[in-house]
Amino acid sequence: TQLLEQSPQFLSIQEGENLTVYCNSSSVFSSLQWYRQEPGEGPVLLVTVVTGGEVKKLKRLTFQFGDARKDSSLHITAAQPGDTGLYLCAGAIYGQNFVFGPGTRLSVLP
Amino acid sequence: DTEVTQTPKHLVMGMTNKKSLKCEQHMGHRAMYWYKQKAKKPPELMFVYSYEKLSINESVPSRFSPECPNSSLLNLHLHALQPEDSALYLCASSTTTGGYGYTFGSGTRLTVV
Repeated sequence: TQLLEQSPQFLSIQEGENLTVYCNSSSVFSSLQWYRQEPGEGPVLLVTVVTGGEVKKLKRLTFQFGDARKDSSLHITAAQPGDTGLYLCAGAIYGQNFVFGPGTRLSVLP
Repeated sequence: DTEVTQTPKHLVMGMTNKKSLKCEQHMGHRAMYWYKQKAKKPPELMFVYSYEKLSINESVPSRFSPECPNSSLLNLHLHALQPEDSALYLCASSTTTGGYGYTFGSGTRLTVV
């Protein structure tokens, strides 16, 4: 049983479109992270959220942590081919190590 | 220095070989991790070192042997591996365990023949 679920599993869109990917759990997390991973490379940390309801923006990326700290979303505005990659969420239950979700594989076509 | 450096980048080894993967960071992080990632899957935690002591071993077979010689270095010794052990092996570090973000290395792509 996955502690974290991510949806959709795969997403293929045209350059310039907007998209949202989701990370959900039945567990409450003390903090949650989003990473992007490109083929043959390690994951790169995009953001960490710790407060329920928190919204963080990173250029065209907007991250939201659910009020109950059980879910999160990542919204990308005007997607570009450089956004292509595997988006992983990782959650930590207080005092424990982070657990990764299965990932959303995004392809942005020029 | 804000990087985690892993060597080698690629490794092909036979099932009777002994090899080691190396990981180095100079960010003063006191937690270091080994992850295994199979194709199209998320990283799976193997080992956690906290202040140079092994704190978590996620039921990893004994053919994988971790070592933390000092606060900057982490090794993974490999012996008698199986073809199904072929994967991307990732090293990561964080300020402490449960810290607010991991810094990952680029990984070692291991192929066991």
